[in-house]
Amino acid sequence: QQKVQQSPESLSVPEGGMASLNCTSSDRNFQYFWWYRQHSGEGPKALMSIFSDGDKKEGRFTAHLNKASLHVSLHIRDSQPSDSALYFCAASEANTGKLTFGDGTVLTVKP
Amino acid sequence: DAGVTQTPRHEVAEKGQTIILKCEPVSGHNDLFWYRQTKIQGLELLSYFRSKSLMEDGGAFKDRFKAEMLNSSFSTLKIQPTEPKDSAVYLCASSLGGAETLYFGSGTRLTVL
Repeated sequence: QQKVQQSPESLSVPEGGMASLNCTSSDRNFQYFWWYRQHSGEGPKALMSIFSDGDKKEGRFTAHLNKASLHVSLHIRDSQPSDSALYFCAASEANTGKLTFGDGTVLTVKP
Repeated sequence: DAGVTQTPRHEVAEKGQTIILKCEPVSGHNDLFWYRQTKIQGLELLSYFRSKSLMEDGGAFKDRFKAEMLNSSFSTLKIQPTEPKDSAVYLCASSLGGAETLYFGSGTRLTVL
């Protein structure tokens, strides 16, 4: 079983709309969670990290973590065509920099 | 500051060849990772170095894949011999360590004929 599972596989939202991405871990050793974004032809880039229960907001992006259920989500408000990309959820255990990635969600924002 | 630099951007090899991919991490970073990305398998960890010491070298890739850190500012990934199933994007990433952000290079797209 994959340790980090993402849903949906793909998502299409209109420009200006809200995109919601989900991620669940099956490994209770994971303590830290990240969201990464990858545009075509580039390497993944970190969007934000979340380590504590609750919400974390950075601009149009809000991450939510529930450690009890090992569920993390990413919400993008006022989505822009430039947000169209592959989004990864990643997790790591304490005291290691090694990240385990989910399979990703393809987000398409239609003008 | 310079980010993670990977060369070459593209590599085409014949089956059975030896290829070497190169990576320069962000200056001052202690952790370095090699990942392989394919549409089917996603992002798979190949190797993990901490302060130049090999911490993990992803079991399934041990036989033909070898990553090295010759110094703190340069790493190589050797694939020997290459097989068509090795066709993928190979990504190098570095971080300060621990729970710090991982920075990726743009990757090397390898095609094995």
